[in-house]
Amino acid sequence: SQQGEEDPQALSIQEGENATMNCSYKTSINNLQWYRQNSGRGLVHLILIRSNEREKHSGRLRVTLDTSKKSSSLLITASRAADTASYFCATDIIQGAQKLVFGQGTRLTINP
Amino acid sequence: DTAVSQTPKYLVTQMGNDKSIKCEQNLGHDTMYWYKQDSKKFLKIMFSYNNKELIINETVPNRFSPKSPDKAHLNLHINSLELGDSAVYFCASSQSGRAAEQYFGPGTRLTVT
Repeated sequence: SQQGEEDPQALSIQEGENATMNCSYKTSINNLQWYRQNSGRGLVHLILIRSNEREKHSGRLRVTLDTSKKSSSLLITASRAADTASYFCATDIIQGAQKLVFGQGTRLTINP
Repeated sequence: DTAVSQTPKYLVTQMGNDKSIKCEQNLGHDTMYWYKQDSKKFLKIMFSYNNKELIINETVPNRFSPKSPDKAHLNLHINSLELGDSAVYFCASSQSGRAAEQYFGPGTRLTVT
């Protein structure tokens, strides 16, 4: 089974609204990262939150991490059409060599 | 000034053929990765190299053989291609260390017919 699972799988909102995506994982982590993938492109790193952090901001992005619930959320405020993309959470698991385990992503559509 | 580049971008080939995908990064990173993204967008790591040494091999069939001639390059050779190998393959790189963000290439869409 997958380490990370995003919820919802797809989200469609109006421009200007806020978008919230959630990620749950199963095993203890060093850090959790969020990436964006535009259609037909590679992934782009958005934000990294360490296991001892609870909240982090970057521009219109806000990420929270609750290690007791093994969950994270990504909030995009004041969404724009250019935010339309798939968003993936990726966990760096404590055991073994560093590797990121990705969820299946949330497909976000911003309607103008 | 592309950070992580891959060639080719598209690859269409028949079952049983052998093909290679090349990856280069100019970020000065010492860790490179290959990922496979299937049709459902599920992204899974295949290999990771650190300073030209293989550190992760995620139970990938031995038809897949990565090669890292130097820290800036990580190539992927696939023998005896099968239909199930059809996917998008991404190369990525990062600094060493656990809190390292990864930089991805644009991907190579492989279609096996």
